[in-house]
Amino acid sequence: GAGVSQSPRYKVAKRGQDVALRCDPISGHVSLFWYQQALGQGPEFLTYFQNEAQLDKSGLPSDRFFAERPEGSVSTLKIQRTQQEDSAVYLCASSLATNEQFFGPGTRLTVL
Amino acid sequence: QQPVQSPQAVILREGEDAVINCSSSKALYSVHWYRQKHGEAPVFLMILLKGGEQKGHEKISASFNEKKQQSSLYLTASQLSYSGTYFCGTGASGGSYIPTFGRGTSLIVHP
Repeated sequence: GAGVSQSPRYKVAKRGQDVALRCDPISGHVSLFWYQQALGQGPEFLTYFQNEAQLDKSGLPSDRFFAERPEGSVSTLKIQRTQQEDSAVYLCASSLATNEQFFGPGTRLTVL
Repeated sequence: QQPVQSPQAVILREGEDAVINCSSSKALYSVHWYRQKHGEAPVFLMILLKGGEQKGHEKISASFNEKKQQSSLYLTASQLSYSGTYFCGTGASGGSYIPTFGRGTSLIVHP
Protein backbone atom coordinates (compact mmCIF):
# COMPACT_ATOMS: atom_id res chain seq x y z
CA GLY A 1 0.00 0.00 0.00
CA ALA A 2 1.48 3.29 -1.07
CA GLY A 3 1.86 5.98 1.52
CA VAL A 4 2.23 9.70 0.92
CA SER A 5 5.01 10.44 -1.53
CA GLN A 6 6.82 13.68 -2.14
CA SER A 7 9.18 14.79 -4.84
CA PRO A 8 11.86 15.81 -5.12
CA ARG A 9 13.28 14.54 -1.84
CA TYR A 10 16.05 17.13 -1.98
CA LYS A 11 16.15 20.46 -3.78
CA VAL A 12 18.93 22.99 -3.93
CA ALA A 13 17.98 26.37 -5.32
CA LYS A 14 19.82 29.58 -5.83
CA ARG A 15 18.32 32.58 -4.12
CA GLY A 16 15.70 34.10 -6.38
CA GLN A 17 14.78 30.89 -8.19
CA ASP A 18 11.28 29.47 -8.21
CA VAL A 19 10.69 25.93 -6.94
CA ALA A 20 7.78 23.51 -7.12
CA LEU A 21 7.32 20.72 -4.60
CA ARG A 22 4.95 17.87 -5.30
CA CYS A 23 2.84 15.77 -2.98
CA ASP A 24 0.99 12.57 -3.87
CA PRO A 25 -1.42 11.79 -1.03
CA ILE A 26 -2.84 8.41 -0.15
CA SER A 27 -5.56 7.53 -2.63
CA GLY A 28 -8.98 8.58 -1.37
CA HIS A 29 -7.71 10.94 1.29
CA VAL A 30 -9.85 14.03 1.24
CA SER A 31 -7.68 16.25 3.40
CA LEU A 32 -4.20 17.42 2.51
CA PHE A 33 -1.88 19.55 4.59
CA TRP A 34 1.45 21.28 3.97
CA TYR A 35 3.88 22.00 6.78
CA GLN A 36 7.28 23.65 7.00
CA GLN A 37 9.75 22.15 9.46
CA ALA A 38 12.90 24.03 10.35
CA LEU A 39 15.82 22.19 11.95
CA GLY A 40 15.06 21.32 15.56
CA GLN A 41 11.49 22.58 15.37
CA GLY A 42 8.07 21.05 15.08
CA PRO A 43 6.14 21.10 11.81
CA GLU A 44 4.58 24.50 11.21
CA PHE A 45 1.24 24.59 9.39
CA LEU A 46 1.18 26.25 5.99
CA THR A 47 -2.08 25.36 4.28
CA TYR A 48 -4.95 22.85 4.17
CA PHE A 49 -7.08 21.46 1.35
CA GLN A 50 -10.30 19.53 1.46
CA ASN A 51 -10.51 17.92 -1.96
CA GLU A 52 -9.63 20.72 -4.38
CA ALA A 53 -10.73 23.53 -2.08
CA GLN A 54 -8.05 25.39 -0.17
CA LEU A 55 -9.85 25.96 3.11
CA ASP A 56 -7.05 27.50 5.12
CA LYS A 57 -3.92 29.22 3.91
CA SER A 58 -3.29 31.25 7.02
CA GLY A 59 0.13 29.68 7.57
CA LEU A 60 1.67 30.67 4.25
CA PRO A 61 4.48 33.05 5.28
CA SER A 62 4.28 35.39 2.30
CA ASP A 63 2.68 35.87 -1.08
CA ARG A 64 5.70 34.10 -2.56
CA PHE A 65 4.16 30.84 -1.37
CA PHE A 66 1.34 29.33 -3.37
CA ALA A 67 -0.31 25.91 -3.18
CA GLU A 68 -2.80 24.17 -5.39
CA ARG A 69 -4.64 20.88 -5.65
CA PRO A 70 -6.63 21.28 -8.86
CA GLU A 71 -8.17 17.82 -9.10
CA GLY A 72 -8.39 17.03 -5.43
CA SER A 73 -5.50 14.61 -5.48
CA VAL A 74 -1.90 15.66 -6.20
CA SER A 75 -0.85 18.95 -4.69
CA THR A 76 1.96 21.33 -5.56
CA LEU A 77 3.56 23.88 -3.27
CA LYS A 78 5.29 26.62 -5.23
CA ILE A 79 7.74 29.09 -3.80
CA GLN A 80 8.66 32.04 -5.94
CA ARG A 81 11.87 34.03 -5.68
CA THR A 82 13.26 31.76 -2.97
CA GLN A 83 15.09 33.30 -0.02
CA GLN A 84 17.57 31.71 2.38
CA GLU A 85 14.98 31.72 5.15
CA ASP A 86 12.86 29.37 3.02
CA SER A 87 15.39 26.59 3.64
CA ALA A 88 13.57 23.87 5.55
CA VAL A 89 11.93 20.48 5.17
CA TYR A 90 8.50 20.76 3.58
CA LEU A 91 6.15 18.04 4.76
CA CYS A 92 2.92 17.00 3.18
CA ALA A 93 0.30 14.99 5.06
CA SER A 94 -3.03 13.52 4.07
CA SER A 95 -5.96 12.14 6.00
CA LEU A 96 -9.42 10.73 5.45
CA ALA A 97 -10.93 13.41 7.61
CA THR A 98 -8.83 15.77 9.67
CA ASN A 99 -7.73 13.57 12.53
CA GLU A 100 -4.94 11.05 11.93
CA GLN A 101 -2.51 12.52 9.46
CA PHE A 102 -0.16 10.42 7.36
CA PHE A 103 3.01 12.31 6.58
CA GLY A 104 5.21 12.00 3.54
CA PRO A 105 9.01 11.82 3.78
CA GLY A 106 9.35 15.53 3.06
CA THR A 107 11.34 17.63 0.63
CA ARG A 108 14.48 19.18 2.03
CA LEU A 109 14.89 22.60 0.40
CA THR A 110 18.23 24.36 0.62
CA VAL A 111 18.44 27.90 -0.74
CA LEU A 112 21.97 29.12 -1.40
CA GLN B 1 0.02 29.93 19.64
CA GLN B 2 2.52 27.11 19.95
CA PRO B 3 2.03 24.65 22.85
CA VAL B 4 4.90 24.25 25.29
CA GLN B 5 6.43 20.80 25.72
CA SER B 6 8.46 19.64 28.67
CA PRO B 7 11.00 18.35 29.19
CA GLN B 8 13.01 19.25 26.10
CA ALA B 9 14.94 16.01 26.28
CA VAL B 10 14.79 12.72 28.15
CA ILE B 11 17.43 10.02 28.38
CA LEU B 12 16.31 6.62 29.64
CA ARG B 13 17.47 3.07 30.00
CA GLU B 14 15.39 0.36 28.41
CA GLY B 15 12.49 -0.55 30.68
CA GLU B 16 12.21 2.83 32.38
CA ASP B 17 9.15 5.05 32.24
CA ALA B 18 8.83 8.60 30.98
CA VAL B 19 6.22 11.35 30.91
CA ILE B 20 6.11 14.14 28.33
CA ASN B 21 3.92 17.14 29.01
CA CYS B 22 2.21 19.54 26.64
CA SER B 23 0.48 22.72 27.75
CA SER B 24 -1.33 25.47 25.93
CA SER B 25 -2.39 29.00 26.79
CA LYS B 26 -5.51 28.52 24.64
CA ALA B 27 -8.64 26.45 25.19
CA LEU B 28 -8.17 23.18 23.37
CA TYR B 29 -10.41 21.03 21.22
CA SER B 30 -7.95 18.32 20.32
CA VAL B 31 -4.48 17.08 21.18
CA HIS B 32 -2.43 15.06 18.72
CA TRP B 33 0.73 13.11 19.50
CA TYR B 34 3.33 12.17 16.88
CA ARG B 35 6.76 10.57 16.99
CA GLN B 36 9.48 11.46 14.50
CA LYS B 37 12.70 9.55 14.09
CA HIS B 38 15.70 11.37 12.73
CA GLY B 39 15.36 12.02 9.00
CA GLU B 40 11.94 10.42 8.83
CA ALA B 41 8.35 11.61 8.65
CA PRO B 42 6.30 12.12 11.81
CA VAL B 43 4.17 9.10 12.66
CA PHE B 44 0.77 9.40 14.29
CA LEU B 45 0.44 7.96 17.80
CA MET B 46 -2.96 9.13 18.97
CA ILE B 47 -5.48 11.93 19.10
CA LEU B 48 -7.52 12.97 22.13
CA LEU B 49 -10.74 14.84 21.63
CA LYS B 50 -12.52 15.02 24.95
CA GLY B 51 -11.48 16.43 28.26
CA GLY B 52 -10.21 13.70 30.51
CA GLU B 53 -10.00 11.20 27.70
CA GLN B 54 -7.17 8.74 27.87
CA LYS B 55 -6.00 6.68 24.98
CA GLY B 56 -3.39 4.03 24.67
CA HIS B 57 -1.18 2.56 22.03
CA GLU B 58 0.68 -0.52 23.30
CA LYS B 59 2.63 0.79 26.26
CA ILE B 60 2.17 4.41 25.26
CA SER B 61 -0.85 6.23 26.62
CA ALA B 62 -1.97 9.82 26.95
CA SER B 63 -4.35 11.94 28.95
CA PHE B 64 -6.03 15.24 28.18
CA ASN B 65 -7.01 17.68 30.90
CA GLU B 66 -9.22 20.15 29.10
CA LYS B 67 -9.61 22.38 32.13
CA LYS B 68 -5.88 22.77 32.61
CA GLN B 69 -5.32 22.91 28.84
CA GLN B 70 -2.73 20.18 29.19
CA SER B 71 -1.94 16.76 27.86
CA SER B 72 0.59 14.20 29.00
CA LEU B 73 2.11 11.27 27.13
CA TYR B 74 3.11 8.27 29.22
CA LEU B 75 5.72 5.81 27.97
CA THR B 76 5.84 2.67 30.08
CA ALA B 77 8.69 0.18 30.11
CA SER B 78 10.40 2.00 27.28
CA GLN B 79 11.91 0.10 24.39
CA LEU B 80 14.80 1.07 22.14
CA SER B 81 12.29 1.69 19.35
CA TYR B 82 10.71 4.48 21.37
CA SER B 83 13.68 6.74 20.69
CA GLY B 84 12.79 9.80 18.64
CA THR B 85 11.30 13.23 18.96
CA TYR B 86 7.76 13.44 20.28
CA PHE B 87 5.55 16.29 19.17
CA CYS B 88 2.25 17.33 20.60
CA GLY B 89 -0.09 19.23 18.34
CA THR B 90 -2.99 21.18 19.72
CA GLY B 91 -6.23 22.05 17.96
CA ALA B 92 -7.91 25.19 19.22
CA SER B 93 -11.47 25.24 20.52
CA GLY B 94 -14.02 25.75 17.81
CA GLY B 95 -13.53 22.36 16.29
CA SER B 96 -10.13 22.70 14.72
CA TYR B 97 -8.40 19.43 14.01
CA ILE B 98 -5.46 21.21 12.43
CA PRO B 99 -2.69 20.86 14.99
CA THR B 100 -0.27 23.55 16.03
CA PHE B 101 2.86 21.62 16.96
CA GLY B 102 5.19 22.22 19.86
CA ARG B 103 8.97 22.21 19.55
CA GLY B 104 9.20 18.57 20.46
CA THR B 105 10.74 16.42 23.18
CA SER B 106 13.76 14.34 22.27
CA LEU B 107 13.66 10.86 23.83
CA ILE B 108 16.73 8.64 23.82
CA VAL B 109 16.45 5.09 25.11
CA HIS B 110 19.71 3.29 25.86
CA PRO B 111 20.14 -0.48 26.20
